[in-house]
Amino acid sequence: QSALTQPRSLSGSPGQSVTISCTGTSSDVGGFNFVSWYQEHPGKAPKLIIYDVTQRPSGVPDRFSGSKSGNTASLTISGLQAEDEADYYCCSYAGYYTVFGGGTKLTVL
Amino acid sequence: QVQLVQSGAEVKQPGAAMKVSCKASGYTFTAKYIHWVRQAPGQGLEWMGWIYPGAGTTRPAQKFQGRVTMSMDTSISTAYMELSSLSSDDTAMYYCARDAAGNSFDSWGQGTLVTVSS
Repeated sequence: QSALTQPRSLSGSPGQSVTISCTGTSSDVGGFNFVSWYQEHPGKAPKLIIYDVTQRPSGVPDRFSGSKSGNTASLTISGLQAEDEADYYCCSYAGYYTVFGGGTKLTVL
Repeated sequence: QVQLVQSGAEVKQPGAAMKVSCKASGYTFTAKYIHWVRQAPGQGLEWMGWIYPGAGTTRPAQKFQGRVTMSMDTSISTAYMELSSLSSDDTAMYYCARDAAGNSFDSWGQGTLVTVSS
């Protein structure tokens, strides 16, 4: 159960788009369509923003979108806004187990 | 609305055990898995395991097998996570989270900070 691989940090300017990658294996990301993404602001609990690879919970702006190709899932944030500055974690089902990514710190310049 | 309320912060000595509670409301407690996740200071999220209150079944992460016990009391819609043989490496914020379906955690507790220090 190794952690999924995410870039440690990314940055973008307001209005731009950024994509966060999440690489696993055929035993987790590649094997199931149960990839979710969480946004975490300092001092707050994580918030679900994408589930089942591409689905957005009610209330999450459509600027957030998810996708997957092979063993790599991706979260794209378009039209960056200041409030998007946060840590982002991917998460995958791995057959009775769950594995998180190491997290990506997104800075909005 | 769905709500998970956790027990308060704790300070533990090395070698001791900790037990965190997670009281659920706003949904049928026995219908959804509860997962436990921790976050050490400045670190990422780490999955610890799940419990399914509908059957009392549990699945700890391999890293914590033998050291973690997950339980529940359906009469009060509360899940518990007990971690034994604590060391300073176990200092972390501990969260419970509801699995809405397909391993998506749509509701989280507020977190319980556990500090292990002599």
